[in-house]
Amino acid sequence: NAGVTQTPKFQVLKTGQSMTLQCAQDMNHNSMYWYRQDPGMGLRLIYYSASEGTTDKGEVPNGYNVSRLNKREFSLRLESAAPSQTSVYFCASVSGDRVFNYGYTFGSGTRLTVV
Amino acid sequence: RKEVEQDPGPFNVPEGATVAFNCTYSNSASQSFFWYRQDCRKEPKLLMSVYSSGNEDGRFTAQLNRASQYISLLIRDSKLSDSATYLCVVSLVSSGSARQLTFGSGTQLTVLP
Repeated sequence: NAGVTQTPKFQVLKTGQSMTLQCAQDMNHNSMYWYRQDPGMGLRLIYYSASEGTTDKGEVPNGYNVSRLNKREFSLRLESAAPSQTSVYFCASVSGDRVFNYGYTFGSGTRLTVV
Repeated sequence: RKEVEQDPGPFNVPEGATVAFNCTYSNSASQSFFWYRQDCRKEPKLLMSVYSSGNEDGRFTAQLNRASQYISLLIRDSKLSDSATYLCVVSLVSSGSARQLTFGSGTQLTVLP
């Protein structure tokens, strides 16, 4: 089925470990995003990529890096995980001219716990 | 002040009730407005876009007041399946020409039998 695929769905890390969250979309969307969701905080933008080859910081980029590998894939890397990065991470994509009618398409999320 | 503010609830209403959610946004340059629905431990999904003139989709009605920077969502004849968290979302076009969505923290609705 067409959509946004995130891996892994669950992950437990020890403080200081690194990992990469993977995201791929098959809808030929130009823009891709990474959000984190914490209780009472809503979704907050970490990084986004307006198009292949470009990335920009969002509201909460510290402690993260991203790579827009190609038009389909946008990965999020935690170089040295901290307990404050315990959260649910969502990847999303959108076609620029369709955001009003169709909104963003989100992946099912990655639940990350850092101990 | 948060960019998008919502009453977190929870709203507990009986089946068949009418319930209204309100949302305010702080950036007057916000261009597009949406309501998303998020079920427990699931991803957000677009419920409806909010047009300047207001719009209706079945039992759902959305209103926008740009002067007051206020958005509302009305749900009539509530169903058990409406139980979810409702997210108010506003959009700006960033310098990278990518639309950025700013999410409210959500209003939790539980419809009771």
